[in-house]
Amino acid sequence: DAKTTQPPSMDCAEGRAANLPCNHSTISGNEYVYWYRQIHSQGPQYIIHGLKNNETNEMASLIITEDRKSSTLILPHATLRDTAVYYCIVTGNTPLVFGKGTRLSVIA
Amino acid sequence: DAGVTQSPTHLIKTRGQQVTLRCSPKSGHDTVSWYQQALGQGPQFIFQYYEEEERQRGNFPDRFSGHQFPNYSSELNVNALLLGDSALYLCASSYLRGVQPQHFGDGTRLSIL
Repeated sequence: DAKTTQPPSMDCAEGRAANLPCNHSTISGNEYVYWYRQIHSQGPQYIIHGLKNNETNEMASLIITEDRKSSTLILPHATLRDTAVYYCIVTGNTPLVFGKGTRLSVIA
Repeated sequence: DAGVTQSPTHLIKTRGQQVTLRCSPKSGHDTVSWYQQALGQGPQFIFQYYEEEERQRGNFPDRFSGHQFPNYSSELNVNALLLGDSALYLCASSYLRGVQPQHFGDGTRLSIL
């Protein structure tokens, strides 16, 4: 079973920031938080990952709480092409365990 | 720099047949993992190959087998196909050492009639 909990769906207006939450209260000290997204009919796309510090790349920012029990993926300026299912995954050096993810709909 | 490539993109088989799916990893990657994604579900881990050996395996019957070649490419074989094997089969590659994300191909859509 997935070790994370995510809301099943969210809406976001185009051009606004999309903030996707994830709870992972049972995360272990050596486990990382990974985010992937899957656009319809494509394979999952890696977005970002982190251990305990906040991370930023060209796609998104990842904010991890100090106790590491939850995190937020931030897409700073959502576009229609960001409409997808977003998966939050906690893993060490183990296979990825996907839950149901959050279906993000970006609305014009 | 080519990413993960999978072939074929679509395949139709009948019950009882056997199928082979192929995957070429991203350049520089040495590890290949296979996932099955049923309609409306998240991907489920089948197995992982490193140095031409199965390193880890998920909860799949031994009808599902694989192989990794010296150039790191991989095959997934499924014998005695069942209707329930209809799914999107995804290949992901990564570099085993360190904390490296897996990168996915766009999958092979397998339909069983």
